[in-house]
Amino acid sequence: GQQVQQSPASLVLQEGENAELQCNFSSTATQLQWFYQSPGGSLVSLLSNPSGTKHTGRLTSTTVTKERRSSLHISSSQTTDSGTYLCAIDSGGNYKPTFGKGTSLVVHP
Amino acid sequence: AQTIHQWPVAEIKAVGSPLSLGCTIKGKSSPNLYWYWQATGGTLQQLFYSITVGQVESVVQLNLSASRPKDDQFILSTEKLLLSHSGFYLCAWSLEVWGNNYAEQFFGPGTRLTVL
Repeated sequence: GQQVQQSPASLVLQEGENAELQCNFSSTATQLQWFYQSPGGSLVSLLSNPSGTKHTGRLTSTTVTKERRSSLHISSSQTTDSGTYLCAIDSGGNYKPTFGKGTSLVVHP
Repeated sequence: AQTIHQWPVAEIKAVGSPLSLGCTIKGKSSPNLYWYWQATGGTLQQLFYSITVGQVESVVQLNLSASRPKDDQFILSTEKLLLSHSGFYLCAWSLEVWGNNYAEQFFGPGTRLTVL
């Protein structure tokens, strides 16, 4: 089945620094979505980006489908960005996403 | 605007007791609905999905069941809880089939379950 590897497992930054998160997957993705999970557990959709580059606010996602990888770039990090970033992949249009274990981000003031 | 509610917010239950968790989506007609589970420190796993009233597909067997009695309601239940059922349960919806390019899933606030 589909496997999703996220790196790094954890990342510590000073406020204002940029973050680069990686998501690698084992099979071709028809859908890829990045989520933010708050320390309380709730999930927020950040970007849906199965291919190419997509921007929203301080977030940029680049997915290279042939190389089975996606990145999430967070510019000028803020303390409120602290939490876990999850990557989810679907590889068959079958309603069943596979999630990575996430990258835990801590941003210090 | 669409809203998604989950109830209860948290539960502490005894092993062997029944469980019923609920999810309601307002503001969207005929959404695709999903149940997810995340063990403490674990990976998010999809449990069930439903594309229409009365139809539910199981993804992972965890001795749980799900039902969709109304277009906007999704219920997760079991007659006998296990210790392994502890964790965080999330309900989600999508308007398009998740798997189509750029289709997105949107999540509820979750229910934290502790089984003792």
